[in-house]
Amino acid sequence: DADVTQTPRNRITKTGKRIMLECSQTKGHDRMYWYRQDPGLGLRLIYYSFDVKDINKGEISDGYSVSRQAQAKFSLSLESAIPNQTALYFCATSDFPGVWGYTFGSGTRLTVV
Amino acid sequence: DAKTTQPTSMDCAEGRAANLPCNHSTISGNEYVYWYRQIHSQGPQYIIHGLKNNETNEMASLIITEDRKSSTLILPHATLRDTAVYYCIVSSGGSYIPTFGRGTSLIVHP
Repeated sequence: DADVTQTPRNRITKTGKRIMLECSQTKGHDRMYWYRQDPGLGLRLIYYSFDVKDINKGEISDGYSVSRQAQAKFSLSLESAIPNQTALYFCATSDFPGVWGYTFGSGTRLTVV
Repeated sequence: DAKTTQPTSMDCAEGRAANLPCNHSTISGNEYVYWYRQIHSQGPQYIIHGLKNNETNEMASLIITEDRKSSTLILPHATLRDTAVYYCIVSSGGSYIPTFGRGTSLIVHP
């Protein structure tokens, strides 16, 4: 099994719908992250969590919310999806203090029509 | 944390060494240099990291200059599967969360 598992792998949804992307990890890491990647661009940070009780906004958090249900689970929600949220979404984990690198999931390709 | 500068794209012949440069002239003493790569539409994959000594693992070698202002990732015998975007990141860990910018797009050709 993958260290960081994202579900679903692909999703097509309609404008205005609520959608949740889920991430679970078996690394035992405290820190988890959600990134977004648009075609031809790098990864931009949406939200991050350093432990179960800690949630922080990244550079592009508008239109998104997150929930850290447990150390191993970190979900990203789009309350009312819009077409410009069509992108590739990645979940990642790292240890503390983060110097041993990040482990990424395989990504969720989301299309909002 | 220090910023990095990488060429936008590079190419390499299969079987030859691929040398990917990264400039990090503002790096501070407690910052590590990390390399990741992202094969098309997959999640970025950790390759290697180092502080000041050269490092080697089964994937690559990392050469850091003595003044630590630049580094080179070396893929000794590039294969077609090494075609990817390579990100150079500098981080001291802690509360800093690195960004993954555009990186270097490496194309390995037959």
